[in-house]
Amino acid sequence: NAGVTQTPKFRVLKTGQSMTLLCAQDMNHEYMYWYRQDPGMGLRLIHYSVGEGTTAKGEVPDGYNVSRLKKQNFLLGLESAAPSQTSVYFCASRDTLTAFFGQGTRLTVV
Amino acid sequence: AQKITQTQPGMFVQEKEAVTLDCTYDTSDPSYGLFWYKQPSSGEMIFLIYQGSYDQQNATEGRYSLNFQKARKSANLVISASQLGDSAMYFCAMRAGWDTGRRALTFGSGTRLQVQP
Repeated sequence: NAGVTQTPKFRVLKTGQSMTLLCAQDMNHEYMYWYRQDPGMGLRLIHYSVGEGTTAKGEVPDGYNVSRLKKQNFLLGLESAAPSQTSVYFCASRDTLTAFFGQGTRLTVV
Repeated sequence: AQKITQTQPGMFVQEKEAVTLDCTYDTSDPSYGLFWYKQPSSGEMIFLIYQGSYDQQNATEGRYSLNFQKARKSANLVISASQLGDSAMYFCAMRAGWDTGRRALTFGSGTRLQVQP
């Protein structure tokens, strides 16, 4: 009963380093999303995917790239991390109604 | 564009009392859905309740109910008989534009609820 799994759960990066966050879902959902959560701002959409092989920009896409090579996986990449990307990142997938979220990844860029 | 507004950054309630968390929304789409999520201190996002824009009755799920006032564009969450475990951050969210393909949730800034014994 895994649902949506994010790896890693915590990470500290130095400015300019790159990394990839992995999101895996086992519910056969078409739609997947990456959000970031910052204090006092709720969750904001970074990128999303409406199916395997598709991606699209959300409201705060700058500095991030994504890929959806397999239906169950949605990867979020940071090519050159900046302190402004310090945040908690959530992946979600959804069925016809409800979005299910991963546990979150706490990323600190120093 | 869609917007969700939660005007209460923090709320206190006594255990066993009811509490209402406010949420107003703005969208030009006639078809939309409203959601409430709970985020405890452990960080996960837990789905609580859903209300569709065409639903005639207010949604209820156990101790949670959604007071949906379409004309006022409000979707307040009511928690009855508060428990200590209800202490958490609560987010109101909306998905609108069923024909756009984007279908992502737009979130409010959240309300931190603290239940006092």
